[in-house]
Amino acid sequence: DAGVTQSPTHLIKTRGQHVTLRCSPISGHKSVSWYQQVLGQGPQFIFQYYEKEERGRGNFPDRFSARQFPNYSSELNVNALLLGDSALYLCASSLDVYEQYFGPGTRLTVT
Amino acid sequence: EDQVTQSPEALRLQEGESSSLNCSYTVSGLRGLFWYRQDPGKGPEFLFTLYSAGEEKEKERLKATLTKKESFLHITAPKPEDSATYLCAPDPGANNLFFGTGTRLTVIP
Repeated sequence: DAGVTQSPTHLIKTRGQHVTLRCSPISGHKSVSWYQQVLGQGPQFIFQYYEKEERGRGNFPDRFSARQFPNYSSELNVNALLLGDSALYLCASSLDVYEQYFGPGTRLTVT
Repeated sequence: EDQVTQSPEALRLQEGESSSLNCSYTVSGLRGLFWYRQDPGKGPEFLFTLYSAGEEKEKERLKATLTKKESFLHITAPKPEDSATYLCAPDPGANNLFFGTGTRLTVIP
C-alpha cells in the first residue's frame, strides 16, 4: 500500500508570497494532521482534520490555513510568507485520530 | 503547561554497545506516548505507542517502556543502520502530538 504522499518535495518562495502544500493520506485513513519542523527541532503541530472538519489547531498565526477534501486529501496554505516560515512541512494521516503515519515532507525555503 | 524533554541530545555508540534514551514529560491527561525514528530530510517513522505506565513494547533491537513521568527507549546491540534521530511525542488528548527535540543517535562500526 502507498504511504502518505506530499507535493511538492521542495519549494522556494519569496517573502510575502503565498504557498499551497498538498497531502494524500494512506488509503482508508480519514484524519490528516500538519506539522512544521524547523531544523534541529521536533515537529510542531499546526492543524488536524478528521472527516473534513477541523479537530485541532496549534499555536500558529492566521496566515496558516488548511482544508480537507471529500477524498480525505488535504491542503495547507500559508499567506504572506516570512523568512521564519522556512521549514520542513510534514503531513501525517491516521485511521481515526491516533497512531499518525508521516509523509516525506515538503521542504519550504523562503528567501 | 505541557512539557517534554529528551536526553541526551546526541549519543555516539560503538556497534554492539547497548544504551537507553530518555523522554521526560509533564502532560496533563496523557492519552498515550509515541516514539518515532527520523532519518535526515525525511518524515518521522512510527515505532511504538505506549498507553499506560508499566507497558513495554519491542521491535527488533528496540524496546520502549513507560512510567508516569518518563519513557525510555532501550537499544540493544545497535548497528550502524540504527543511526537516526529518535523522537518521543506524548499525546495530551488534544488531537495533536507534542514532540520533543529528539536524541540524535550515531552508531559507529
